[in-house]
Formats: sequence, C-alpha cells, structure tokens
Amino acid sequence: NAGVTQTPKFRVLKTGQSMTLLCAQDMNHEYMYWYRQDPGMGLRLIHYSVGEGTTAKGEVPDGYNVSRLKKQNFLLGLESAAPSQTSVYFCASSRAQGGQPQHFGDGTRLSIL
Amino acid sequence: AQKVTQAQTEISVVEKEDVTLDCVYETRDTTYYLFWYKQPPSGELVFLIRRNSFDEQNEISGRYSWNFQKSTSSFNFTITASQVVDSAVYFCALSEVGTNAGKSTFGDGTTLTVKP
Repeated sequence: NAGVTQTPKFRVLKTGQSMTLLCAQDMNHEYMYWYRQDPGMGLRLIHYSVGEGTTAKGEVPDGYNVSRLKKQNFLLGLESAAPSQTSVYFCASSRAQGGQPQHFGDGTRLSIL
Repeated sequence: AQKVTQAQTEISVVEKEDVTLDCVYETRDTTYYLFWYKQPPSGELVFLIRRNSFDEQNEISGRYSWNFQKSTSSFNFTITASQVVDSAVYFCALSEVGTNAGKSTFGDGTTLTVKP
C-alpha cells in the first residue's frame, strides 16, 4: 500500500553539486509530476510526464531535468544546484483519463547552501 | 495561460464557526477540471474533491460543501461547524485536458487555523 514514494526525504547540498530525486509509484499510473513548494507560493509544476519515455515542461523547468525510463519511476535531476532551488519537492501521479486527482508523495526537503 | 487565485492567504476561526475558502480561476478552455486538496501540518497533500467544467451541481460531503459557479469562474469551499482538525493549508487547482492533458495549476493556498 505504498502509493507514491519519494527518495530521499531530506538532503542538504552545496552550491554546484548535483543530485537526483527519485519518485516511484505502484498504482500503474500513466501521468507523473514534479512540483516545488515554496512558502506562500503554493505548488508550482516543474516537469510532468504523460507516459513512459515522454516528458514535458511545466511552469518552472529551468535548472531541472527529468527522465521517465520506466512507467513507475520519474526522476528529477539538479545538475548544478543553486540556493534558489532550496524548496520542498513533491512528486505526484494520476491516471491518464482527463481530470484525474493526483496522488502525492510525502515530499523531499532540499536545502542548498 | 491558466491561473488560480486564492485571495485569502490566512483565515482564523473559532471552532464550530462556518468558514468559506474562495477560489477564482482563469482559463480559455471550455473543458477543464477543478480540484481542492488539503495539506495538514504533517505535510502530505490529500485530494478532497474534483469537479468538471460541465457539472455545476453543488456538492456536500459531511461538513464540507463546494459551490461551483461558471459564470463567476469560482469554485468555493465551505466548512460547516469547523473543527481543530480542519486546520491545514487548502489548495485549489485547475487541470487541463486535450493537448496539455496533465498540466495542472495550483493556487497559492489558504492557511486555515481553527482555534478551540
């Protein structure tokens, strides 16, 4: 009964370091999403995927890359971390039919010094 | 571009009061979906309700009710007889269909505090 699992839950990076956040879902959902949540700014869509092997840019894609090599996994990469990327990152998934609710992971708190 | 506005940043009420959270949206699409999500202090995001653009019926679920008015582009959420456990951040969201299926826009959220 895992749903959406995000790894890691917390991470501290130095400016310029790279890292990958992993999102895994076990609900056989077609769509997957990465959001960032900053105080007072709600959830902003970084990238999303409507199927294995496909990705698309969201509202704030700069500085991030994603890959969806397997249907159940959606990876978010930071090639050269910047302090402005300090945030809480949420992954979500949903069924493919229009307007399906999203199921969220517990979030990853990322701090960049 | 789509936009979701939750003008109320923070609301504070005393337990048992009724409270309405406002959500106004902008879209050029004729077909779209609206959602409300709850984020309690523990941090997880929980889906509450979905409404499509062709269904303007109001909905009631226990102490929760939703009022969708296409004419004013609003999808407001009312909690009746609020309880301390209702304290959370509530997000309204808009989802596209068609060529941009999957793309979702969230409002900035309304932080509701219910005091005992």
